Amino acid sequence: AQKITQTQPGMFVQEKEAVTLDCTYDTSDPSYGLFWYKQPSSGEMIFLIYQGSYDQQNATEGRYSLNFQKARKSANLVISASQLGDSAMYFCAMFPPGNTGKLIFGQGTTLQVKP
Amino acid sequence: KAGVTQTPRYLIKTRGQQVTLSCSPISGHRSVSWYQQTPGQGLQFLFEYFSETQRNKGNFPGRFSGRQFSNSRSEMNVSTLELGDSALYLCASSLTGSGNTIYFGEGSWLTVV
Repeated sequence: AQKITQTQPGMFVQEKEAVTLDCTYDTSDPSYGLFWYKQPSSGEMIFLIYQGSYDQQNATEGRYSLNFQKARKSANLVISASQLGDSAMYFCAMFPPGNTGKLIFGQGTTLQVKP
Repeated sequence: KAGVTQTPRYLIKTRGQQVTLSCSPISGHRSVSWYQQTPGQGLQFLFEYFSETQRNKGNFPGRFSGRQFSNSRSEMNVSTLELGDSALYLCASSLTGSGNTIYFGEGSWLTVV
């Protein structure tokens, strides 16, 4: 069965520093997609970045990059130059094939950015 | 481009009542999914609709139902509410539901008292 594991329940980072949020996944399917979402306390789930299993290069979106290591089944999110507004819960999610519209989520990591 | 819109944002219901939540997907998106988020269970998939048909379903009791209209707008209904139904309900939309980016709305906070 597919599974997403986020081992860091909470993390602190100093403003303007970079931070890495860990995500490992488990699937036997060769084709899958990996997402990262940000959820502030308001509840909205904000899309950050996507990586397809066949993508050769790591995805980047502004200050967000995804460190995709397929052999290790990891998809870590790197946030560069942290800002106070980055304080939120972050979820890693997987989109397995054959399951339309369904994302499998990890338990999330709470990130707090300190001034 | 408008995002995924969910209404209402907050609501309080009494045990035994029913509730209907609404979701308007991003224009052009035909797939709409619903998720329940609770502190104890995390994010759990409820169901997915595409072209007015339920294509995928999670492991929830029959009290949870949904539908999709011809304009892709979707509603979910929970009947005979229980205290444990208190949660954030998130709606998500994508172009086809498979291989596309999935965008979420702001969610509907449901409290059952």
